[in-house]
Amino acid sequence: KQEVTQIPAALSVPEGENLVLNCSFTDSAIYNLQWFRQDPGKGLTSLLLIQSSQREQTSGRLNASLDKSSGRSTLYIAASQPGDSATYLCAPSGNTPLVFGKGTRLSVIA
Amino acid sequence: GAVVSQHPSWVICKSGTSVKIECRSLDFQATTMFWYRQFPKQSLMLMATSNEGSKATYEQGVEKDKFLINHASLTLSTLTVTSAHPEDSSFYICSASRTLETQYFGPGTRLLVL
Repeated sequence: KQEVTQIPAALSVPEGENLVLNCSFTDSAIYNLQWFRQDPGKGLTSLLLIQSSQREQTSGRLNASLDKSSGRSTLYIAASQPGDSATYLCAPSGNTPLVFGKGTRLSVIA
Repeated sequence: GAVVSQHPSWVICKSGTSVKIECRSLDFQATTMFWYRQFPKQSLMLMATSNEGSKATYEQGVEKDKFLINHASLTLSTLTVTSAHPEDSSFYICSASRTLETQYFGPGTRLLVL
């Protein structure tokens, strides 16, 4: 059964810093891996989807990498802004539905 | 494309009543829909997987008689919380997929049982 771990659980940084969120998963037989953002009391916003054959995806200030063999993914956020404050969830997808980590709660302080 | 809606977005009900939540795929046909539950400051936990026209598959620990799931068409799945109690208060999120490779999520329904 897939297990997903996200480190750190919480992170507080001053505005403008570059930061890295980590995700590890136990079953490397995945189709893809998604990173989501969740604002308090809201649903999920898909940020990036990396196919299992890809090593990274970029969208604006976000860059996600995937190392399927080692069961790791990182989300890199450049030049963080207060609007980036949210919980970030990673979810690998295999033969079973998406399994979510507990997320990293990010707070960017102006 | 690939928009999923949920209705209602929030609901408050008295203990003992039943609540129905709808999940619709607006611009695609979803062969599979998933229901997740999220308690405060916790991650999303899969409750059940439903395929159109067949019975839902429930995750361990989820009472199928309490959480009734119907997937009557390729664009609609419903979750009914029967005889709701305060401990059922949670954020319920559905997702829909054409293939298991990609799931599209609804905006969620917040349920508060008094």
